[in-house]
This record gives sequence, C-alpha cells and structure tokens, in this order.
Amino acid sequence: DAGVIQSPRHEVTEMGQEVTLRCKPISGHDYLFWYRQTMMRGLELLIYFNNNVPIDDSGMPEDRFSAKMPNASFSTLKIQPSEPRDSAVYFCASSFSGASTDTQYFGPGTRLTVL
Amino acid sequence: KNEVEQSPQNLTAQEGEFITINCSYSVGISALHWLQQHPGGGIVSLFMLSSGKKKHGRLIATINIQEKHSSLHITASHPRDSAVYICAVNSNSGYALNFGKGTSLLVTP
Repeated sequence: DAGVIQSPRHEVTEMGQEVTLRCKPISGHDYLFWYRQTMMRGLELLIYFNNNVPIDDSGMPEDRFSAKMPNASFSTLKIQPSEPRDSAVYFCASSFSGASTDTQYFGPGTRLTVL
Repeated sequence: KNEVEQSPQNLTAQEGEFITINCSYSVGISALHWLQQHPGGGIVSLFMLSSGKKKHGRLIATINIQEKHSSLHITASHPRDSAVYICAVNSNSGYALNFGKGTSLLVTP
C-alpha cells in the first residue's frame, strides 16, 4: 500500500484566500484523523471521521475551518478565508479501527504558509 | 495545563550513549503511544503501550499505569536516531490522541 497520501505537500497563499487540503487514507481503514502541528502548540487533533461520518470536531478552531469525507478514500480540510495564524503543518492519519490499541498511520503532511 | 508532559524538551547526546525520554500524563488512559518525527517531518509510530514494557531493536518503552508515567529508552544511540520523539495518549473517553510537545534529540558522532 502507498500509505496515507496528502496533497499538496506545500501551499503558500495570501490572507483571505481559500485553501483546500486533501487526504487519501490507507485502503480499508475506517478512521481518518486531521491534525495540525505548530511550534507553539505541537500536534493537535482537529477532527476525526469513522466510516466517513464526522465523530468529533471539537478541535476545529473556528467556522473558517471545515472538513468533509465524501467517500472512504478521500477527505478534504478547507480553510476559508485563510489567515496568517493558520500557518502550520497539517497531518492526516488513518487507522483500521479507532481502538486505542490500533496504530495510526500518518501522511507526510501539508506545510501551509499564509502570508 | 497540557494533559501530557514530556521531558526533557531538548537533548543532545554523543553516539553510543544511553538515552531516556520521559512522559507523564494526568488523565486515565487506554493506551500510550510513542511517535518519531524525522527532520523531514514524517511521523511514524514506534510503540503502543497499555502496560508493561515493549522492545524493538535498540528502543525500549515502559509504562507505569499507577504512576501515570512512561519512558522511552534508546540504547547505543546513533546519529540516525536524531529526531523529535512525541508521546501521545488515548484517554479513556475517546479514540483521539492527545500529544506531548515532543523531545528533540540530537545524537552527535
């Protein structure tokens, strides 16, 4: 398997623009997680899905952030409008089940810079 | 206060040294994970623990549930071990991971 795939790997945009980050989980994995990593706060969970349904979005910072999972092989994280404080590395991860005993496999991340 | 605390934040060691990274947590957990983030940014899972001890090559992870503490040990450290090591826990109430801030390790030749 190719692992978790994220695109783009790098994104530079101007404040106010819409940004869409994409993730393809490992085939057969039922859980998908979106995380954000910053120097100040480290890794934080934004939202996770089970069988394409959002289960916990309490980590989504505000209404400018939205996430969808239209099918088992694709998820998007959208920021509209983007702000400089959204600059971070965004990771997608997937796991076979959501059990705490299950390994999460991380994608390579998308480094977002908002100018 | 973060639910997961790691120490030290930064660590420099000479090749061959024995290294210990500590993780303390304040909530009830169902599992604790040790992750490694390479300088290029990729994150890989090293261990998942709910009790006792696990060993993989030169890496050993232990957990003491009563004391809410885990340690990651690296024996005979090597420059290729240079990375950020992140402790994360699954709380009893959910599947999502709560992360420590990470320990940045540099092993010099």
